Amino acid sequence: DADVTQTPRNRITKTGKRIMLECSQTKGHDRMYWYRQDPGLGLRLIYYSFDVKDINKGEISDGYSVSRQAQAKFSLSLESAIPNQTALYFCATSDPLGGVANEQYFGPGTRLTVT
Amino acid sequence: RKEVEQDPGPFNVPEGATVAFNCTYSNSASQSFFWYRQDCRKEPKLLMSVYSSGNEDGRFTAQLNRASQYISLLIRDSKLSDSATYLCVTRSGGSYIPTFGRGTSLIVHP
Repeated sequence: DADVTQTPRNRITKTGKRIMLECSQTKGHDRMYWYRQDPGLGLRLIYYSFDVKDINKGEISDGYSVSRQAQAKFSLSLESAIPNQTALYFCATSDPLGGVANEQYFGPGTRLTVT
Repeated sequence: RKEVEQDPGPFNVPEGATVAFNCTYSNSASQSFFWYRQDCRKEPKLLMSVYSSGNEDGRFTAQLNRASQYISLLIRDSKLSDSATYLCVTRSGGSYIPTFGRGTSLIVHP
């Protein structure tokens, strides 16, 4: 079984709808991240969390919110989706004391299309 | 200017060729460096860390030049399966947040 899972894997939604992307991990890591990837722009950090009570904005948090329900779960919400939020979204985890400190372990991604 | 710059490519090479990618970074406080590999429509995965003295992992060699603020990745004897996007990643001291480059696309053809 995958260590980092994301649901849904693909989603098409309409402008103005609220949508939640979910991420779960079995790696036991405290640190979790949400990124979006757009062609030509690379990976950009949306939010990150270093433990259940810690939530931090990344470089492009506007239009997004997150919830860290448990150590293993980190959800990303788009309160009112807009077309320029169409992208590939990745969840990731890391362990500061891992073999490669802070190596990022990514989920398989969620492809979101906002029409 | 983006903090981590990479030539997007694509680099189109025949099997067996040697290919090298460079990546430049602007944050002089960067202390940790990595190469990640991303296959089409898949998640990125760590390929290798980059150490100050340079390091090798099979056909892959990574080098760091702190004075010029660039890192490189050399792939020898390219395989078809090396076709992917290679992401350069840095992290500054005291920060646990990595900075990703936009990636360099490699296509290895028969």
